[in-house]
Amino acid sequence: EVQLLQSGGDLVQPGGSLRLSCVASGFDFQNFPVTWVRQAPGKGLEWVTSISAKGNGYYADSVKGRFTISRDNAENTVFLQMNSLRPEDSATYYCAKDYVTVLPVGILDYWGQGTLVTVSS
Amino acid sequence: QPALTQPPSASGTPGQTVTISCSGSTSNIGDNNVNWYQVVPGAAPKLLIYTNNHRPSGVPGRFSASRSGTSASLAISGLQSEDEADYYCAAWDDVVNGLVFGGGTRLTVL
Repeated sequence: EVQLLQSGGDLVQPGGSLRLSCVASGFDFQNFPVTWVRQAPGKGLEWVTSISAKGNGYYADSVKGRFTISRDNAENTVFLQMNSLRPEDSATYYCAKDYVTVLPVGILDYWGQGTLVTVSS
Repeated sequence: QPALTQPPSASGTPGQTVTISCSGSTSNIGDNNVNWYQVVPGAAPKLLIYTNNHRPSGVPGRFSASRSGTSASLAISGLQSEDEADYYCAAWDDVVNGLVFGGGTRLTVL
């Protein structure tokens, strides 16, 4: 059974940092891209970043230069390092597995349970 | 402003057919496949349709979709109360070099 287990959400002050984790199981993790999508309260889904199977990152303009996605294939884990956090980054963050291998195409067939990030003083 | 345009709301009575539109541009829907997601408040999104018109295992045949030019649409026939949710279209965008979503459509079953 495919599972994505997320952790790391918290309340953080503006300008602060946070690292989210997404631990995968039930599939050949090293061959699949992973994506982070967020949803602010009362708002729609917003793509944040994706990482290819080979470790190349793709970023939304809103987070470029502040967020970094990485993966540890030995631990079946994807990380989202978030720096210089802003109130508008407050949202529930979801990690999701891509359906196809190697490069992300946005067919997100399995999702984590979500983790809440609140940026406030 | 979302890159893909959806109506903010849609509604229907049980048994009816409802259609949700999704409009984009040549850099996303015009050149890449469209996927649809269902979001029930409080739950993680669920892949509903992928590659324009394919249903993942477990998704009822009442859900269908199509893509033409820079637009796409999702149709739900035989509407049921459990279909009440938010629906999002999404596609890879070659200019953004990332995934773009529609703003979402809240479906109400009257």
